[in-house]
Amino acid sequence: GAGVSQSPSNKVTEKGKDVELRCDPISGHTALYWYRQRLGQGLEFLIYFQGNSAPDKSGLPSDRFSAERTGESVSTLTIQRTQQEDSAVYLCASSLAPRGSTSTDTQYFGPGTRLTVL
Amino acid sequence: RKEVEQDPGPFNVPEGATVAFNCTYSNSASQSFFWYRQDCRKEPKLLMSVYSSGNEDGRFTAQLNRASQYISLLIRDSKLSDSATYLCVVNGPGNQGGKLIFGQGTELSVKP
Repeated sequence: GAGVSQSPSNKVTEKGKDVELRCDPISGHTALYWYRQRLGQGLEFLIYFQGNSAPDKSGLPSDRFSAERTGESVSTLTIQRTQQEDSAVYLCASSLAPRGSTSTDTQYFGPGTRLTVL
Repeated sequence: RKEVEQDPGPFNVPEGATVAFNCTYSNSASQSFFWYRQDCRKEPKLLMSVYSSGNEDGRFTAQLNRASQYISLLIRDSKLSDSATYLCVVNGPGNQGGKLIFGQGTELSVKP
C-alpha cells in the first residue's frame, strides 16, 4: 500500500520568504508527526497530532513555525520569514497510535522535504 | 541530561564482526522502545521493537533493562549492507505516549 508522502521533495527559498510543506500520512493512521533533521544531526521533534486532540506543539522552535492537520489526513507545516538556520530535512511520520495509549505503534516516515534557505 | 543517549560513533568494523550499540533513556515511565535504521540521506525505518524479555531477529538481538533504563542492539556477522546510522528510540511517558524521542544515532561502517 501507499506509504507516507511528502511534497515538495526539495525546496530552495530566499531568507525571509514563507514556505509550506505538505505531508500525506498513511490512510487510517490517526497520529502524525513532524521532525526536523539538520545535516549530520539527529531527529528533532517538532509537533504531534493525535486524532482530534489538541496537538503537542512542544517542539516547535519559534512562533515562525506552525502546522495544521485536516481531520486525520493531510498536514501542512508552515515556516514564516525563513532563516538560514531553518535549512534542514523536514520529515513527517504517521502511526496508528491508539488514543490515550501510553505506548505507541511503529512510526512510518515519509522521504522528507529538503529545505535550503539562501 | 538528554532524554535518549547513545554511544558516540562512528563504529568502523570489518565484515563478519559482532558489534554492540548501547543506549540509555531518562524517563522511567516510557513504555515502548525501538531501534530504527537510517541510511545516508534517507528517512529512518524501523529495524525492530525492543521487548522486556529481549528479542532476536536473525542477526539482530535487542535487549532492554528497565531497572537500568538501558537498551542495547547486537549485530552478529555484520554485512556491508548493515552500514547505516542506528537510532535508539523511546516513547514519551504518560499522555505523551505517542510521541517518540530519538537518540542522536550511532553510525556504523562495515568494511570489506
